[in-house]
Amino acid sequence: DVKVTQSSRYLVKRTGEKVFLECVQDMDHENMFWYRQDPGLGLRLIYFSYDVKMKEKGDIPEGYSVSREKKERFSLILESASTNQTSMYLCASSFRFRVESGYTFGSGTRLTVV
Amino acid sequence: GQQLNQSPQSMFIQEGEDVSMNCTSSSIFNTWLWYKQDPGEGPVLLIALYKAGELTSNGRLTAQFGITRKDSFLNISASIPSDVGIYFCAGLAGYRDDKIIFGKGTRLHILP
Repeated sequence: DVKVTQSSRYLVKRTGEKVFLECVQDMDHENMFWYRQDPGLGLRLIYFSYDVKMKEKGDIPEGYSVSREKKERFSLILESASTNQTSMYLCASSFRFRVESGYTFGSGTRLTVV
Repeated sequence: GQQLNQSPQSMFIQEGEDVSMNCTSSSIFNTWLWYKQDPGEGPVLLIALYKAGELTSNGRLTAQFGITRKDSFLNISASIPSDVGIYFCAGLAGYRDDKIIFGKGTRLHILP
């Protein structure tokens, strides 16, 4: 069964900590995405990547960075976590030239910053 | 940028009722997708639509690609408790290597 795996389902971090959210896919997808989901705001794109070592800003990149050293892995980094980054984070992936088939999402990481 | 307006934002229905929700855009889309997100999980693709006027079913779910290419509809017949969740519409304006745009979702609640 094809999968997008997010390393943690739940995380609790302190304000100011550096936080790493990891995502791995086993479908050989070129595209990978990080979204955050907040009630009433839907899915908001933070960063995406079309290839290894390549990254593009999404709609809300402030306070975040990403790393893609291998095709199957896309990491989201919160350099200095703040309480307004408490949210559900979703990773997704797709083939670059078959986007019409849709994205495959991971199960999400619910991050709480205290 | 492009936006999808999804309505209603929330629905409370009785078990056994039929459900309708829709998604509209001011611009044309070439692909429409419908996802469902179960509580505590990530969204899962339910139905993909690729042609204006197309009507596609997946069990009790039926989705339609509007003929103007600016809207799409999802119907659920005879709702059951496991239909609870958030339903997202999504659209792709370009082809192949464009980015998918998501609606804000319709949260479905089912009363026993």
